[in-house]
Amino acid sequence: EPEVTQTPSHQVTQMGQEVILRCVPISNHLYFYWYRQILGQKVEFLVSFYNNEISEKSEIFDDQFSVERPDGSNFTLKIRSTKLEDSAMYFCASRDLGYTFGSGTRLTVV
Amino acid sequence: GEDVEQSLFLSVREGDSSVINCTYTDSSSTYLYWYKQEPGAGLQLLTYIFSNMDMKQDQRLTVLLNKKDKHLSLRIADTQTGDSAIYFCAETLIDGGSQGNLIFGKGTKLSVKP
Repeated sequence: EPEVTQTPSHQVTQMGQEVILRCVPISNHLYFYWYRQILGQKVEFLVSFYNNEISEKSEIFDDQFSVERPDGSNFTLKIRSTKLEDSAMYFCASRDLGYTFGSGTRLTVV
Repeated sequence: GEDVEQSLFLSVREGDSSVINCTYTDSSSTYLYWYKQEPGAGLQLLTYIFSNMDMKQDQRLTVLLNKKDKHLSLRIADTQTGDSAIYFCAETLIDGGSQGNLIFGKGTKLSVKP
């Protein structure tokens, strides 16, 4: 069964550092998303991406965040200068009719 | 704004049925989903229902949708210890103008006792 792959599974970074979270969506899906889940809280929408551009973003997705689809397969989320409150599980998803989520990257900012 | 509400905990005995409930506010939702999250793991799609349906059954899972009351439920028959997880209800609107962002509930933690 096709799946969404995320790397790394866990990343620890120092506050102020840049991180790039990587995702390989399902190849024939056209819509891509990033969500995050702070420990014990709801899964929250960050950004959606379609036709090589951001189609919608939440208020969480400020200037510190960016997304890119650098080639035909990868979809990345970059956080330019991480803060302690960016510590969360970050999920990538791609959509055809239904969503398929990756298994997530646990980001810990220390 | 849009919101999805779920009770936070449910405890059942192995072999019993579990019913997890969810209410949502956006009457224009077109798809409603149930996701399962095991500890430390990602979100696994269990099932989804289109808003013009009122019931969907898939093996041990039955989804009931009451669109008038904006109430969605997930029934798990013959609940097993492996069903212990957090279950998230989510809604979305997918049409020509929307990118179908999911709105999640806080999740219901299901504990299954042997």
